[in-house]
Amino acid sequence: DVKVTQSSRYLVKRTGEKVFLECVQDMDHENMFWYRQDPGLGLRLIYFSYDVKMKEKGDIPEGYSVSREKKERFSLILESASTNQTSMYLCASSPVVQGWLTDTQYFGPGTRLTVL
Amino acid sequence: AQSVTQPDIHITVSEGASLELRCNYSYGATPYLFWYVQSPGQGLQLLLKYFSGDTLVQGIKGFEAEFKRSQSSFNLRKPSVHWSDAAEYFCAGRSYNTDKLIFGTGTRLQVFP
Repeated sequence: DVKVTQSSRYLVKRTGEKVFLECVQDMDHENMFWYRQDPGLGLRLIYFSYDVKMKEKGDIPEGYSVSREKKERFSLILESASTNQTSMYLCASSPVVQGWLTDTQYFGPGTRLTVL
Repeated sequence: AQSVTQPDIHITVSEGASLELRCNYSYGATPYLFWYVQSPGQGLQLLLKYFSGDTLVQGIKGFEAEFKRSQSSFNLRKPSVHWSDAAEYFCAGRSYNTDKLIFGTGTRLQVFP
């Protein structure tokens, strides 16, 4: 069964702290994604990775960085958390089929981050 | 620009009634289209997807969706709603040559007994 796990369901941090959100998938998927979800805005892509040590900016990368040292793990880093980064963060992974063409994205349960 | 639009923010139906959630897309070529469901406090679960072929797609939990090129729509339907269907529903699309999904803003479904 497909499994994407995120290190925390709820997280409370203070402004200026460095925050790490971890995501692990056990499906040997090549692609991994980080989204943030805000009411009325749907899901917006922050970063994605199509291979180990490879990353691409999404639509809203400002204030975030990512790390992918192993295929199964994709970390989202908030270098200096701010209150406007309070949100739900969702990780997803997807396999590559037929060369580079990707398939369905599978999502983790999400991390609700509050920055005070 | 590519976009996915869900015109309805909130829909309320009675249990046992039929359901249709609307989704419109704007893409140059036929996109790949998805419907996901998110229960409160949970991640997103795939209901169904359309890549090509038969325009009526069957999914899990009794849901189906129909791709209509002429209307640029991919509406989600269910003939009889159950209370457990109360959740938020997201339509998403992507071009054939990119990994990036574009999501609609979601429709929250409330089901009354």
